Amino acid sequence: DTAVSQTPKYLVTQMGNDKSIKCEQNLGHDTMYWYKQDSKKFLKIMFSYNNKELIINETVPNRFSPKSPDKAHLNLHINSLELGDSAVYFCASSQVTQRRSPLHFGNGTRLTVT
Amino acid sequence: GQQVMQIPQYQHVQEGEDFTTYCNSSTTLSNIQWYKQRPGGHPVFLIQLVKSGEVKKQKRLTFQFGEAKKNSSLHITATQTTDVGTYFCAAHGSGNTGKLIFGQGTTLQVKP
Repeated sequence: DTAVSQTPKYLVTQMGNDKSIKCEQNLGHDTMYWYKQDSKKFLKIMFSYNNKELIINETVPNRFSPKSPDKAHLNLHINSLELGDSAVYFCASSQVTQRRSPLHFGNGTRLTVT
Repeated sequence: GQQVMQIPQYQHVQEGEDFTTYCNSSTTLSNIQWYKQRPGGHPVFLIQLVKSGEVKKQKRLTFQFGEAKKNSSLHITATQTTDVGTYFCAAHGSGNTGKLIFGQGTTLQVKP
């Protein structure tokens, strides 16, 4: 049983294209996140949704737009892709009502922009 | 904003040697979590420390939280090739958003 699943696993695309990454969690968690991991493995939070409400919106270009249709799903749409967007994007979930709840990560989507 | 500094960035050891990674913050932390990411994998939660001076063990792994709750360490005794990966410390930011701030990670290579 996959707890946090995201698709696709790999995404290779050209500059200027628009792409989406999807994420689903079956843990019943109330909060979902998008993290970006760069080539040096640094994990940086991008967005967070709690019960479909955006609660964390870090300094991310407007080309990135998250959407949460329900608390089990969080998608990420990226417009006008740039070379610098190449990274691994991780979806994660947690139960924020349980204080200091750990994150459960998906397997990641490796985005390569050429 | 809150930052968590982690050192070293890389560590190469011979199998059987010990390994330690350190995590430091300029502010008092409410908790510290540790994650392991295998090559090509995703971060997986290992443990959480909450109390000042807390020490927890998981087999060959020993986790410590400093008395001032500003630093933490992960020590692996007698490394094995299965220990290879990147170890991250992480701390929750202020507020109750669940935002987790990660250290830069320490990538461990173990030579058999």
